[in-house]
Amino acid sequence: GNSVTQMEGPVTLSEEAFLTINCTYTATGYPSLFWYVQYPGEGLQLLLKATKADDKGSNKGFEATYRKETTSFHLEKGSVQVSDSAVYFCALLRTSGSRLTFGEGTQLTVNP
Amino acid sequence: DAEITQSPRHKITETGRQVTLACHQTWNHNNMFWYRQDLGHGLRLIHYSYGVQDTNKGEVSDGYSVSRSNTEDLPLTLESAASSQTSVYFCASSESAVVGTDTQYFGPGTRLTVL
Repeated sequence: GNSVTQMEGPVTLSEEAFLTINCTYTATGYPSLFWYVQYPGEGLQLLLKATKADDKGSNKGFEATYRKETTSFHLEKGSVQVSDSAVYFCALLRTSGSRLTFGEGTQLTVNP
Repeated sequence: DAEITQSPRHKITETGRQVTLACHQTWNHNNMFWYRQDLGHGLRLIHYSYGVQDTNKGEVSDGYSVSRSNTEDLPLTLESAASSQTSVYFCASSESAVVGTDTQYFGPGTRLTVL
């Protein structure tokens, strides 16, 4: 079946540090891949997505590249800010149907 | 602006009571979903619908039901609330224009406590 595995958290960084949150997946076919972000007390918001191999999604300084050979979609940001503190979810969408499968989420805290 | 809303935002109920959580979207999306969020489990799919009169079970559907009588609403009912159903519930919607690439948009969530 489909599954998503994220790096264990929580992650604590200082402002302006480099961020990597690892995400690997198991799926049949060629799923679309997503990163969602959840700020405290809010629902999930789409951060970025990629729909085919080698696509790079980017938004707000965050990037992730769809790597089919390593079945990965790692999230990166070159310089994090305090306002990036949130929970980040990696997810995949099957090519048939419209159901998302989520990873467990990674709590990121950025200190000034 | 189009949006997706949930009500109530917070609910406390007692074991055995029936509870209904509302979800309303103005995106005119065909697809609607209910998830629950629990620590250590991420989001898990409860039920989903691809259109009016269509409903399907997700991975954790026991004890829950939904009905879809119009495009805008997908209420989630807990038939007899149990303490194990204490959780944060999220509703989401998406278009079905291009299956396999559509983005889901989430509501703000309902925090349910079953005592």
